[in-house]
Amino acid sequence: GQQVMQIPQYQHVQEGEDFTTYCNSSTTLSNIQWYKQRPGGHPVFLIQLVKSGEVKKQKRLTFQFGEAKKNSSLHITATQTTDVGTYFCAAPKTRNTGKLIFGQGTTLQVKP
Amino acid sequence: SQTIHQWPATLVQPVGSPLSLECTVEGTSNPNLYWYRQAAGRGLQLLFYSVGIGQISSEVPQNLSASRPQDRQFILSSKKLLLSDSGFYLCAWSRLGAMGEKLFFGSGTQLSVL
Repeated sequence: GQQVMQIPQYQHVQEGEDFTTYCNSSTTLSNIQWYKQRPGGHPVFLIQLVKSGEVKKQKRLTFQFGEAKKNSSLHITATQTTDVGTYFCAAPKTRNTGKLIFGQGTTLQVKP
Repeated sequence: SQTIHQWPATLVQPVGSPLSLECTVEGTSNPNLYWYRQAAGRGLQLLFYSVGIGQISSEVPQNLSASRPQDRQFILSSKKLLLSDSGFYLCAWSRLGAMGEKLFFGSGTQLSVL
């Protein structure tokens, strides 16, 4: 079945450094979503990318969807301690369904 | 506004005991409903998916079952728990019929089977 691979699994950075997590699929994705899960919490929707080559920004977060719609990335500029958590990408299992397949997640630790 | 309630927050159960986790959604009609499981330090695995009352799609063979007795109620059950059933269980909803609609998650249930 469809899989979404996400790397790295863990990332430790010094506060102020940048951070990037990558998501890859062997098949073309109709769209990709990103979620953030704070320690002890539940995943919260961040953004959805639909178009080939799309780039969206939310303050210090930049989301990209590849031209072939098979990969995506989330980049955080100048991390802060509030960025700590696990970031997941997710894509529909099949077209026209709400069933999302999640990547394994990247857990970000930020040292103050 | 829409809200999703999931309970209990934590549960410790012995092996072989039954399980019932409940999830309800308020403020929306005909939602898609989901049960996901998250093993410690791992990603989210889709367990069940429902588009309507009595309509359940099982995504992986397992020791669990799901039911949707009412439009906005989703229940996860087991007759006999296994050690491997331990994990963080998350209920979620999305808008019916919308491709790629975002998921709204409940606060989760941490299940420990001992």
